[in-house]
Amino acid sequence: EDKVVQSPLSLVVHEGDTVTLNCSYEVTNFRSLLWYKQEKKAPTFLFMLTSSGIEKKSGRLSSILDKKELSSILNITATQTGDSAIYLCAVDKRDDKIIFGKGTRLHILP
Amino acid sequence: DADVTQTPRNRITKTGKRIMLECSQTKGHDRMYWYRQDPGLGLRLIYYSFDVKDINKGEISDGYSVSRQAQAKFSLSLESAIPNQTALYFCATSDRRTTDTQYFGPGTRLTVL
Repeated sequence: EDKVVQSPLSLVVHEGDTVTLNCSYEVTNFRSLLWYKQEKKAPTFLFMLTSSGIEKKSGRLSSILDKKELSSILNITATQTGDSAIYLCAVDKRDDKIIFGKGTRLHILP
Repeated sequence: DADVTQTPRNRITKTGKRIMLECSQTKGHDRMYWYRQDPGLGLRLIYYSFDVKDINKGEISDGYSVSRQAQAKFSLSLESAIPNQTALYFCATSDRRTTDTQYFGPGTRLTVL
């Protein structure tokens, strides 16, 4: 059975801290791994990772995929209160299905 | 204007009622999806459609049906709503010609009493 597991499920840190969110997966026909940020309601796309070892970066956020370990991490440096959200990891399969993890709820204290 | 819209945004209904949630998109994407989100469970796929004539069940399709009336419209129906269908419902679109990125609508909060 396909599964995507995120850890931790929730995290509370102070503004300015650096956080690392984890995502591991066991799926057949892996195509890519996706990270989303969900604030209030609809998720917004952050990164799509297809190649192992190549870091993707957007401002203070970065992510990397390790296909050998079947995992990915999402790093956020110098966190701000606006980073408070649920971060979703998903795996896109070659049969065009997408499997989501349960998300990590991140709360940044001022 | 939003690229992916959902109506209604909020709905409270009673057990046994028929409910339709609608999704429209102006992105010109061929693929559309319906998800539900429950606390602690993340997003779960209900149905997806790769074009007007292609409808597929997701992981939790029981109790739901869909209709792809046009490339831009994908509606989700609950023929006889039950309380455990209370959830936040998202519509999403993607275009196979470009990336696998999905674009989400704002969500519909459905409460079944």
